[in-house]
Amino acid sequence: GAVVSQHPSWVICKSGTSVKIECRSLDFQATTMFWYRQFPKQSLMLMATSNEGSKATYEQGVEKDKFLINHASLTLSTLTVTSAHPEDSSFYICSALSYEQFFGPGTRLTVL
Amino acid sequence: ILNVEQSPQSLHVQEGDSTNFTCSFPSSNFYALHWYRWETAKSPEALFVMTLNGDEKKKGRISATLNTKEGYSYLYIKGSQPEDSATYLCAPERGGSEKLVFGKGTKLTVNP
Repeated sequence: GAVVSQHPSWVICKSGTSVKIECRSLDFQATTMFWYRQFPKQSLMLMATSNEGSKATYEQGVEKDKFLINHASLTLSTLTVTSAHPEDSSFYICSALSYEQFFGPGTRLTVL
Repeated sequence: ILNVEQSPQSLHVQEGDSTNFTCSFPSSNFYALHWYRWETAKSPEALFVMTLNGDEKKKGRISATLNTKEGYSYLYIKGSQPEDSATYLCAPERGGSEKLVFGKGTKLTVNP
């Protein structure tokens, strides 16, 4: 089956620093990847759609300058949380689109 | 904004029990409904994609039905096993955009 990896699986950082999360499709190419986040006891919420070779499209209410997305190749999308603050602490998960969405295992971000 | 409800929130059953849970979604502008199975510390795994009213899909002991006119889907597990313990997510697809809107999930625990 199609495998998607994410790195790191968890990260703790200080307030004000930036954190980069990688999403890789290991055995298929994905023109489109999606980034979601999940707050405790909430559902997975789509943040943005990452398109290889073009700008990401962001869902309403998601700050594009805070959550920088780069989809530089057909197997890699990165999400950078810039100037992270405690309220950005969440579970971030990506998916890569083939004939359906294949998800990574997620990244737990804790901002102190 | 799609409002997706899943019930119950959590469920504890004994090994061998059969169980079912519900996903409710707006029936207007329906395109497709996805079911995912999410084990702790793993990636969400796609179970079914359902598109047609009255559709029934089956994968081993797990099956699902779809009613697009009234906006609900049922997921059934026959003869639950401890390895079925997971959170089951449903997600209608927003108008053919490939964008998924997730419910909060039903957490199933199967006791040996």
